[in-house]
Amino acid sequence: QKEVEQDPGPLSVPEGAIVSLNCTYSNSAFQYFMWYRQYSRKGPELLMYTYSSGNKEDGRFTAQVDKSSKYISLFIRDSQPSDSATYLCAMSTTSGTYKYIFGTGTRLKVLA
Amino acid sequence: SQTIHQWPATLVQPVGSPLSLECTVEGTSNPNLYWYRQAAGRGLQLLFYSVGIGQISSEVPQNLSASRPQDRQFILSSKKLLLSDSGFYLCAWEDGTDTQYFGPGTRLTVL
Repeated sequence: QKEVEQDPGPLSVPEGAIVSLNCTYSNSAFQYFMWYRQYSRKGPELLMYTYSSGNKEDGRFTAQVDKSSKYISLFIRDSQPSDSATYLCAMSTTSGTYKYIFGTGTRLKVLA
Repeated sequence: SQTIHQWPATLVQPVGSPLSLECTVEGTSNPNLYWYRQAAGRGLQLLFYSVGIGQISSEVPQNLSASRPQDRQFILSSKKLLLSDSGFYLCAWEDGTDTQYFGPGTRLTVL
C-alpha cells in the first residue's frame, strides 16, 4: 500500500463548477499537509499549507484535513480554465524530517 | 523575495554521457535543498537533500550524485547516464517552515 494515494484523473468539469480533489494516506504520523499546482512542463507551485486537522481558506481554494479518516481535500470554487493543471498533495511527519511524501497528482481540466 | 533557478531547461544526452544540472536559490540563507525526479504516473521521487554546504543525504541508490559547493547552489551529476535516468528533474528549497518551493525543472531525455 502506498503511503499516499491520489486519483490520477483526468477530472473534467465545466467552468464555474466546484472541484473536489482528494488524497488518502496511511501514516497517522503525518501532520503537515500541502497542495501544489503544476502546469504542464513547469515546476509545482505551492497553493495551500495546513497543519493538523481542520479547514483553511485562501480565495477560491479551501484545504481540508480529516486526520481521523486520514483524508485531505482541496476544494476549488468557481473553477476557471486557468485552473486546468495537475494538483499534487504532499505531507510530512514532524517538523524537520526533510522527507515529504507526494501523491502522484490529479489532472484537472476546466472546460470553458 | 526568494527565487530558485534551474538550468538547463531541456537536455538531450546520449547514454553513457556525463550530466550536470545546476540549481541556485536567491533571497534566502542556509536553505534546505532537494533534488527530485518526476516520472509520469509515479509522482515525485526524492533523490537527494542537503541541510548545508557539503552535507548531502541520498535517498535512492543509483548512478547519480549531488554536491553543494556553496550555500545556495545545488548540483546533480552523473558520470554515465542510463536510459532510465530520463525524466523531469526538480530542485526545491525549504527554509524550515515545512513547505517546499520548487524550481522550473529540467527535462532530461537520454537516448
